[in-house]
Amino acid sequence: DIQMTQSPSTLSASVGDRVTITCRASQSISDHLAWYQQIPGKAPKLLIYKVSNLQSGVPSRFSGSGSGTEFTLTISSLQPEDFATYYCQQYKTYKMFGHGTKVDIK
Amino acid sequence: EGQPVESGGGLVQPGGSLRLSCAASGFTFSSHWMSWVRQAPGKGLEWVANMKQDGSVKDYADSVKGRFTISRDNAKNSLYLQMNSLRAEDTAVYYCARDHSGGVLDYWGQGTLVTVSS
Repeated sequence: DIQMTQSPSTLSASVGDRVTITCRASQSISDHLAWYQQIPGKAPKLLIYKVSNLQSGVPSRFSGSGSGTEFTLTISSLQPEDFATYYCQQYKTYKMFGHGTKVDIK
Repeated sequence: EGQPVESGGGLVQPGGSLRLSCAASGFTFSSHWMSWVRQAPGKGLEWVANMKQDGSVKDYADSVKGRFTISRDNAKNSLYLQMNSLRAEDTAVYYCARDHSGGVLDYWGQGTLVTVSS
């Protein structure tokens, strides 16, 4: 099975900060990588698919990059509504999520 | 586009069974793979199962293989998850999600809570 490791597990930041979350796959997943945002009590929301493709309606301050086994999600200027938990997901072989990165207020 | 709506969750004893349903609307259900994903209280997301449009392919996580069965009725725009031999560790919110572009989950329901406890 392909394992996904996210870091950090928790990130404290302020409004306006640039935030970067890393996701590593245990083996190459090519570009089969998506990112989701989950606000407590809500369903996950797709942000990015195929490493860097922004889902319709997602603000441009979100971006994704990487290839093979190492990927990043960047929020260029953190907004109040961005405080949430973020998950990466590989879909190269079945589906596997990372353990999540909680972005909270510093 | 529409949002799937899950139902069928509740409290069940260990060893018991439960059938979850997911009603889809606002998109052509029969054109999409569909998935179930769960989230234990305070924990992360765990993919459970997925199914091809015509039912010819069904995949399961190792943690539920042999106990859970995914099915669908394209005429009713509905997805199901039959859960047998339930364990305490199956306690979770179960989400139904549309599978797009070969594994990306682009539309999610609000989830239904399954609690396995005596």
